[in-house]
Amino acid sequence: NAGVTQTPKFQVLKTGQSMTLQCAQDMNHEYMSWYRQDPGMGLRLIHYSVGAGITDQGEVPNGYNVSRSTTEDFPLRLLSAAPSQTSVYFCASSYGDGGELFFGEGSRLTVL
Amino acid sequence: TQLLEQSPQFLSIQEGENLTVYCNSSSVFSSLQWYRQEPGEGPVLLVTVVTGGEVKKLKRLTFQFGDARKDSSLHITAAQPGDTGLYLCAGANDYKLSFGAGTTVTVRA
Repeated sequence: NAGVTQTPKFQVLKTGQSMTLQCAQDMNHEYMSWYRQDPGMGLRLIHYSVGAGITDQGEVPNGYNVSRSTTEDFPLRLLSAAPSQTSVYFCASSYGDGGELFFGEGSRLTVL
Repeated sequence: TQLLEQSPQFLSIQEGENLTVYCNSSSVFSSLQWYRQEPGEGPVLLVTVVTGGEVKKLKRLTFQFGDARKDSSLHITAAQPGDTGLYLCAGANDYKLSFGAGTTVTVRA
């Protein structure tokens, strides 16, 4: 049982490049979400999904896209990377509203 | 502006001392969770409190949810070096979990 798996763990991009952070969970959780973590700011919600085919914006959605075609996968796309998107990104999943969040190990992204 | 304010931001204490971390908000939450995060890893759930006034104990950790469900505290008795980490509170409403900025706790041996 792998839990929540994120790839890649580290990535360096140049300004303007695009990329996709992958997230997969094998716990059959309906709810999945993406957070970014910056020093002194805790975790901020980017996008979330309450089930396949359903996504919604969190606190800081600008510059990011998501899709949820299957229950297992929830990729996060950076359309045109900016230095302000340098951060550690966490994918998380849970059984439902208010349930325990299970986090991946994080993806550290640097945009030059 | 954080929806949840945690204080203090940093806490450094000697092994055996007690500590309290506070989590405050002007919003009401259906539940409040506390997580601990170690460097290079994702946060891990410690406890969920649901009822206003609820107190939960987990060995040397005591969690309290305010009567109005807007605030919470985490108290650690006789802290040990293994308690070192980033402690995060998170309030839940409508499938959104909003996190505080965290309190970095260092317990010196």
